[in-house]
Amino acid sequence: GAGVSQSPSNKVTEKGKDVELRCDPISGHTALYWYRQSLGQGLEFLIYFQGNSAPDKSGLPSDRFSAERTGGSVSTLTIQRTQQEDSAVYLCASSLAPGANYGYTFGSGTRLTVV
Amino acid sequence: DAKTTQPNSMESNEEEPVHLPCNHSTISGTDYIHWYRQLPSQGPEYVIHGLTSNVNNRMASLAIAEDRKSSTLILHRATLRDAAVYYCILKGFGNEKLTFGTGTRLTIIP
Repeated sequence: GAGVSQSPSNKVTEKGKDVELRCDPISGHTALYWYRQSLGQGLEFLIYFQGNSAPDKSGLPSDRFSAERTGGSVSTLTIQRTQQEDSAVYLCASSLAPGANYGYTFGSGTRLTVV
Repeated sequence: DAKTTQPNSMESNEEEPVHLPCNHSTISGTDYIHWYRQLPSQGPEYVIHGLTSNVNNRMASLAIAEDRKSSTLILHRATLRDAAVYYCILKGFGNEKLTFGTGTRLTIIP
């Protein structure tokens, strides 16, 4: 597609349930990133993929969070046993390649609300 | 990571040029200067980036000081659609995290 696609755009879930968030990067982009933005806050880095491997997952807040990427394309961020503090907009971005000389294209995000 | 400093907010009149400053006195020689903006209720949008020379694209221009300790994002003719939070970020080799600070909230006055 022309841009980074994320689904669903909105998700309301009950506390304790598991959720999966999907990201479709721009075709041919090898680097993929997950960020989250809590209400009124800045963007917080979660994880970075180069191809299917994740060289940097240092931003994942707890072991309830995991992510995978398959075929060097689609990525799924999974949150197990959701808590109210997980409520945020989860943003995915892709880049042609890793490195300082490439810009990121962000998706529109998934707004997660845990009730 | 090298830090950037930006004014919290700025205002500009519609159809006027806008100069958004950024200080980065601890920039390293291999850090690129990236600018993103975030419109209300949207994900961040890439604007421009550069290393040493001034850069131009269809959205904006980036003027980089000779000592690289500061830079200025220039919107040549502001429109209402340019109202957003603008982030100046340093990105170095081997560091794939973009660290978003608080940015500059730009208000465009009709």
